[in-house]
Amino acid sequence: GAGVSQSPSNKVTEKGKDVELRCDPISGHTALYWYRQSLGQGLEFLIYFQGNSAPDKSGLPSDRFSAERTGGSVSTLTIQRTQQEDSAVYLCASSLSDAADTQYFGPGTRLTVL
Amino acid sequence: SQQGEEDPQALSIQEGENATMNCSYKTSINNLQWYRQNSGRGLVHLILIRSNEREKHSGRLRVTLDTSKKSSSLLITASRAADTASYFCATDAGNMLTFGGGTRLMVKP
Repeated sequence: GAGVSQSPSNKVTEKGKDVELRCDPISGHTALYWYRQSLGQGLEFLIYFQGNSAPDKSGLPSDRFSAERTGGSVSTLTIQRTQQEDSAVYLCASSLSDAADTQYFGPGTRLTVL
Repeated sequence: SQQGEEDPQALSIQEGENATMNCSYKTSINNLQWYRQNSGRGLVHLILIRSNEREKHSGRLRVTLDTSKKSSSLLITASRAADTASYFCATDAGNMLTFGGGTRLMVKP
């Protein structure tokens, strides 16, 4: 079946602009995660959605970052007033039920803030 | 701060040799997973080992877990050039996975 998809694959924006990154999880997966990976670094957890529960936003680096998940499926990560330090690859993953399960990752969105 | 820390940060070996990567973590875990990443994009799940397991095999991969030492190792036997990638351990201690900084493995043909 189809895996996790993300769009766009690459996004170049100017400092101060808002960006929206999209993630389509695997159908039937109730858990969805957003991570950020800076060049040559490990993954930084951003936010976690589990079914209809309130999302775990503990990893969001600032109030410029927000995410929503509509209808328990597609998720959008929004970064307002982008800064150069926001440049990174943003990875989305989904799992069947929770973090104890295998996470399936999308190809990521490479964000470059000029 | 990262829960898992991989060691070494970088490893270069010849094709056919074995590669061993280690991961240490700080708190109690439910399970530990290893992932592979090519070219800085999406991660691919390799293997999951639960806290009550000590060793697990999958093809040329062998993972061990020592909860008393809070450490795990990933062994890739008979390495191939196609194994060149970054390898991450990830620990589940609740509702999220915490990833280490990764080991960059290069396998020379």
